[in-house]
Amino acid sequence: DADVTQTPRNRITKTGKRIMLECSQTKGHDRMYWYRQDPGLGLRLIYYSFDVKDINKGEISDGYSVSRQAQAKFSLSLESAIPNQTALYFCATSDADRAVNGNEQFFGPGTRLTVL
Amino acid sequence: AQSVTQLGSHVSVSEGALVLLRCNYSSSVPPYLFWYVQYPNQGLQLLLKYTSAATLVKGINGFEAEFKKSETSFHLTKPSAHMSDAAEYFCAVRGYNQGGKLIFGQGTELSVKP
Repeated sequence: DADVTQTPRNRITKTGKRIMLECSQTKGHDRMYWYRQDPGLGLRLIYYSFDVKDINKGEISDGYSVSRQAQAKFSLSLESAIPNQTALYFCATSDADRAVNGNEQFFGPGTRLTVL
Repeated sequence: AQSVTQLGSHVSVSEGALVLLRCNYSSSVPPYLFWYVQYPNQGLQLLLKYTSAATLVKGINGFEAEFKKSETSFHLTKPSAHMSDAAEYFCAVRGYNQGGKLIFGQGTELSVKP
């Protein structure tokens, strides 16, 4: 079974619609992240959460909101979708920092969102 | 602040040839460096990471990378390419004690010709 799951895997919607992307993890990690991937731009951080009560904006948070419902669940919402939010969205998790250990992030399979 | 530059958005090699994917970073604090691979229609998978323990880092699938502080580089290599190596590769950096945030390069798509 996958450790980080995302639903839906694919979604086509229209401009102005509200969309929620969901992420669940069974790794027991405190930290969760939402990225979007665009061709030629790599991955850019939208929001991140270090625990249920700690949510922070990333570099491209405008037009997005998040909810950390539990340690294992982190949802991304587009309140009013627009075409330039068409992208591949990834959720990731990581353990908290431990001294000098560079803890890697573990990624879900992605959600491909198309906004018409 | 940290940043990552991957030189070459597309690299093509023949099967059996050397793979070299370039990554240069900028960091105001000692960095952690990562290489991730993304196969078609999949999420990102960690290939290897540098955490200051050793400058030459070995990863999965025969890949390795060398941290060169003087050149601010962390290039990824594999002596002999295999068809299954065709994928997109991302270099990422985060600073020591900078929390868990990763800064990614723009990615390099590797094609392997038979």
